[in-house]
Amino acid sequence: AQKVTQAQTEISVVEKEDVTLDCVYETRDTTYYLFWYKQPPSGELVFLIRRNSFDEQNEISGRYSWNFQKSTSSFNFTITASQVVDSAVYFCALSEAWGSQGNLIFGKGTKLSVKP
Amino acid sequence: GAGVSQSPSNKVTEKGKDVELRCDPISGHTALYWYRQSLGQGLEFLIYFQGNSAPDKSGLPSDRFSAERTGGSVSTLTIQRTQQEDSAVYLCASSLARGLAGPPDTQYFGPGTRLTVL
Repeated sequence: AQKVTQAQTEISVVEKEDVTLDCVYETRDTTYYLFWYKQPPSGELVFLIRRNSFDEQNEISGRYSWNFQKSTSSFNFTITASQVVDSAVYFCALSEAWGSQGNLIFGKGTKLSVKP
Repeated sequence: GAGVSQSPSNKVTEKGKDVELRCDPISGHTALYWYRQSLGQGLEFLIYFQGNSAPDKSGLPSDRFSAERTGGSVSTLTIQRTQQEDSAVYLCASSLARGLAGPPDTQYFGPGTRLTVL
């Protein structure tokens, strides 16, 4: 069965601190996709990144970076020099590649509060 | 371009009444998904459409839930005889394409409909 675990329910940091959000997944598939979404207080889920299981290169986008490690089934997300606008709930999600409906299996989310 | 839109944004109804929730996907997106977000259950998948067809309805919580999609575009999620446990935010997402033999495209979400059943 597929499962995504975000062990950190809530994290609070002060502006400019770096913060890492953990994501551990379970799947029997050899081909799968991983995603991160941001849900600000307004409520709309905003897509951040999509990564397939064959691409283990880390990715950096501005202050955001992602560390994908198949050996530990983890896909962690780091925000460098956090800002108040980063305050949101962040969801990690998993999707099968083949023979499924492509629906997302979400973790429970991590609520990040960045204080000025 | 325009994103996924949903209406109404908020719906308050009395237990036992029927409700209809609407989703307008991004133009050109053939795949459409409904999810439900509640405090107790997190984000859970309800149903998927490829074009007008929903190949698997087993994700719907009960037979009071139904969904349809017409013209490969707008979708409606209907909940009959609403119960208090149906209170949640119902989210719709769309993606470019999704065949059973292809990788999943990125899903883009609408703002959701907050349903409150009194």
